[in-house]
Amino acid sequence: DQQVKQNSPSLSVQEGRISILNCDYTNSMFDYFLWYKKYPAEGPTFLISISSIKDKNEDGRFTVFLNKSAKHLSLHIVPSQPGDSAVYFCAALASQNFVFGPGTRLSVLP
Amino acid sequence: KAGVTQTPRYLIKTRGQQVTLSCSPISGHRSVSWYQQTPGQGLQFLFEYFSETQRNKGNFPGRFSGRQFSNSRSEMNVSTLELGDSALYLCASSLRDSYSGNTIYFGEGSWLTVV
Repeated sequence: DQQVKQNSPSLSVQEGRISILNCDYTNSMFDYFLWYKKYPAEGPTFLISISSIKDKNEDGRFTVFLNKSAKHLSLHIVPSQPGDSAVYFCAALASQNFVFGPGTRLSVLP
Repeated sequence: KAGVTQTPRYLIKTRGQQVTLSCSPISGHRSVSWYQQTPGQGLQFLFEYFSETQRNKGNFPGRFSGRQFSNSRSEMNVSTLELGDSALYLCASSLRDSYSGNTIYFGEGSWLTVV
């Protein structure tokens, strides 16, 4: 039973447009959420996080939105750049456990 | 400061053998966790160590084990390797001195191929 879901395995976006990556979770005990980006043959790198007491966190081109009632969060990248092409993992934290989603492969087309 | 270091980066083993992977966390980080990544499966949590104690364990068979040393370095061991153990094994470290608000930082991973 997947507690963190990323229902889109892949997403293609034109350079300069907005990329929206979605993540849904089932465990209401999750209180902290993170997004990681992963290039092939490299480990995931931390992008941005959000606490459950907030509904938005912004860092440069990256914004994460959290809708607790819907148990949904999304990562917005604007404007998208070719270097953003990677696999994006959503992760959730409850007490001591990090749970990762299966990832979404983003392709930004020039 | 140096990031999370994993060794070896690549290795090939045959079925039935055992393997040990090593991880050096970021200086000052006391928590080390291990993940397995296979195509389409995301990151599957193996276990977490904090101050030399296993604090959490994922849903993997007993062939997968780990330990942490007093300097926070960690090793994971897989015995009696199976073809399905072929994966990228990722180590992550964090401060984890509170239950929330801590980010984990990954190493580049160890690619294990079982033939």
